[in-house]
Amino acid sequence: DGGITQSPKYLFRKEGQNVTLSCEQNLNHDAMYWYRQDPGQGLRLIYYSQIVNDFQKGDIAEGYSVSREKKESFPLTVTSAQKNPTAFYLCASSISQAVTEAFFGQGTRLTVV
Amino acid sequence: GDSVTQMEGPVTLSEEAFLTINCTYTATGYPSLFWYVQYPGEGLQLLLKATKADDKGSNKGFEATYRKETTSFHLEKGSVQVSDSAVYFCALGDQGAQKLVFGQGTRLTINP
Repeated sequence: DGGITQSPKYLFRKEGQNVTLSCEQNLNHDAMYWYRQDPGQGLRLIYYSQIVNDFQKGDIAEGYSVSREKKESFPLTVTSAQKNPTAFYLCASSISQAVTEAFFGQGTRLTVV
Repeated sequence: GDSVTQMEGPVTLSEEAFLTINCTYTATGYPSLFWYVQYPGEGLQLLLKATKADDKGSNKGFEATYRKETTSFHLEKGSVQVSDSAVYFCALGDQGAQKLVFGQGTRLTINP
């Protein structure tokens, strides 16, 4: 089945540690996105990538980093510079640079203690 | 930049009631418009979409019409069920920035 997979579903880390969230898609989509969702708030765009080896900052990129070495993979690293990393993180992909509907993963809930 | 504004929630209704969730947008050009639904602990799923003015998107009894003159894309359903309880997001495709822009979401609870 085609889809977008995020792992793990739940992640716990100690404050000050970097952590990497995985996102893989087998939909052959060019564009991939990372969003952050906090309780009672909408989605805020962290980073997005329209093509391999290229990505752009979204609205809240500080404290995060990404890579896009392969078309199907777009991992997100939450660094120790991110002040409030505890949140629900959503990865998405869409078919091309044209803005079409996005397909979402199931999300990763990160808790930093 | 482009933006989306949804009616504030939470919205609580009884089963079989009529639902409207308002969504208005600000955009240059002619964006595509979307409604997504998020069930507890899950990612977002596309509910319906419309790509040009006067298009009506529909799915699972939900409908929304792309109104260019009022820059709106309100979500409606004639008779809601308990299983419709979720968070609903309105979104547009920002052609210039090549990204989706989401509203803040509206939490809907349906009581039996």
